[in-house]
Amino acid sequence: AQSVTQLGSHVSVSEGALVLLRCNYSSSVPPYLFWYVQYPNQGLQLLLKYTTGATLVKGINGFEAEFKKSETSFHLTKPSAHMSDAAEYFCAVRPSNDMRFGAGTRLTVKP
Amino acid sequence: EAGVTQFPSHSVIEKGQTVTLRCDPISGHDNLYWYRRVMGKEIKFLLHFVKESKQDESGMPNNRFLAERTGGTYSTLKVQPAELEDSGVYFCASSELTGGSRNIQYFGAGTRLSVL
Repeated sequence: AQSVTQLGSHVSVSEGALVLLRCNYSSSVPPYLFWYVQYPNQGLQLLLKYTTGATLVKGINGFEAEFKKSETSFHLTKPSAHMSDAAEYFCAVRPSNDMRFGAGTRLTVKP
Repeated sequence: EAGVTQFPSHSVIEKGQTVTLRCDPISGHDNLYWYRRVMGKEIKFLLHFVKESKQDESGMPNNRFLAERTGGTYSTLKVQPAELEDSGVYFCASSELTGGSRNIQYFGAGTRLSVL
């Protein structure tokens, strides 16, 4: 069965600091991997996705993630956090038609 | 172009009552999905429509939940009778059936259901 683990339900960083949100998945076949973000009172917005090809994927708002098959990881990073990045972030894997989500990581950005 | 819209945004009902949630997918999207997030836990799949047909309803919790998509456009999810454990946020998502974007699911803002 496919599953997703997000390490850390809450992450707090200072404005300008590196953002690192961790995601590990279990999969018996190469998966499709996604990061979604949910801002307050809004829906889930796709940040980036990995399907095939280049393992370093760039998304919106300066975020990127690297697919590492040997580590079964898909960690999300951003070099410099902005106050507007405060939100909840979800890693997801798509083994077939439905999406399997991690429990989410709430990112707080301190001034 | 309008995104996935869900109505209502928030519903507060008493145990035993009935509630109907509605989802309008992006126009032209044949795939429609329902998900639920119980407080603090992961978002879990409920079911998947392809047009008006239920493709996969393996995630539906029990027979108190009924989803329909008559005509293959909007979908409703009815909970009858509602129980306390049904509280959570219900998300709807849609995607294309074919094409390069078929792997991308677009989500609505969700309906927050509170059963008291």
